[in-house]
Formats: sequence, structure tokens, C-alpha cells
Amino acid sequence: EVQLVESGGGLVQPGGSLRLSCAASGFTFSSYEMNWVRQAPGKGLEWVSYISSSGSTIYYADSVKGRFTISRDNAKNSLYLQMNSLRAEDTAVYYCARNLLEDDAFDIWGQGTMVTVSS
Amino acid sequence: QLVLTQSPSASASLGASVKLTCTLSSGHSSYAIAWHQQQPEKGPRYLMKLNSDGSHSKGDGIPDRFSGSSSGAERYLTISSLQSEDEADYYCQTWGTGTWVFGGGTKLTVL
Repeated sequence: EVQLVESGGGLVQPGGSLRLSCAASGFTFSSYEMNWVRQAPGKGLEWVSYISSSGSTIYYADSVKGRFTISRDNAKNSLYLQMNSLRAEDTAVYYCARNLLEDDAFDIWGQGTMVTVSS
Repeated sequence: QLVLTQSPSASASLGASVKLTCTLSSGHSSYAIAWHQQQPEKGPRYLMKLNSDGSHSKGDGIPDRFSGSSSGAERYLTISSLQSEDEADYYCQTWGTGTWVFGGGTKLTVL
């Protein structure tokens, strides 16, 4: 079964850091481009970051540029999001999502992990 | 600027059909989109990729009740024979160079 499972969410103080992980299974992870998408409570979806299959190309939304770092370990079938200088407005459920092969639509989503930034 | 516009809400009766709309911003009418469904308290689920010519490719296991169509800058998702489990938020998504954009979502209520 194709599956993405996020972990690492929790409560963190403003200015703090958190590292999210996404474990992939059921497909050849190293062949797929990956993303992080977030959803603030009661709000819509917001794309956060993209990484190519090899990790050589990375993009960020302006709202997180300079604070968040996306990475992947193809040997471990894992995607990561290092989040620094966290703000209250970063509070959201964070999803990892897979791109369709050689395409830009997202075709597989995880169940999400909640990040709460609060003092 | 690449923007997708969706109506915040829609409703239709059990067993009926409903057509949801996603509108691409000016200058982007040739862009493909994707439709995603998010049931309450769940992660999103990919429904289909929809091209500007109306051709579409659905995700695995998506019922035939779900179909897509296009007209100019408008992209549509039609759900026929509505079932209670179709009550959900529906998001459209598109993409440009180095950016991915979601519409604000449409909350579908099945009466």
C-alpha cells in the first residue's frame, strides 16, 4: 500500500524549532518529487515547500523562506522539514504530499502532524 | 499572479448532482489543475488532474461519479449520485515554476 506517515509535531514556543519527518512506503521514494503542505486550524491548504527526487532542486513559499529547510534521505525513504524561528502563524497541521510521477499535481497525501506554536 | 478562486460553499440533495467551480486568474486559462477532497478530520485525497481541454485522469479508486470538465479559465468538478460521504471540502490546486497554489476550498453539504 502506498503510504506517507508524518511525525514530529507538537507544542513549541515562539522562536523555537521543530523537525518534522515523513516516512514513505509502498513506492520507489527516490523516483518522486515531494512537498510539505500545511493547514491552519479552520483554514485552507497552503503549499510550504518542494524538493525534487534527487534533492537538487528546492522551493519554498515566501512565508517560510529563510526559516524552514526541506530535505530528504532516499536511502531511508524519508522526507524532512526543519522549522526554525517558529511563529504563532505557523500553527497548522503539516502534510507531506507526493507529486504525480514527472508531473506537478499531488497524488498521495499523509494524514498530517499538528504543530502548535504558543507560549 | 497565479490565483485560484472557489465558492466557499455548495449544497445538493442526496442522490442529486453538483458542479463545483474553480476559476484560474487572468492570463492562466491554459493551466491544468488538480481536484482534492478532504473529509472531516482527514487528510486530503487526490481526485483527478484536469487539463484545459477537459481531459482528466483520476486517482486510484475514485468512483465514476466524479468527473471533470473545463471551459476557458473555469475548471469544474461534477459529482453525480451524491452520497453522504461526499460531504467534504473540495480544493483545486495548480502550479507554476517553483510554486504551487490552492484555491480557498468549497465546503459541500449533502442535504
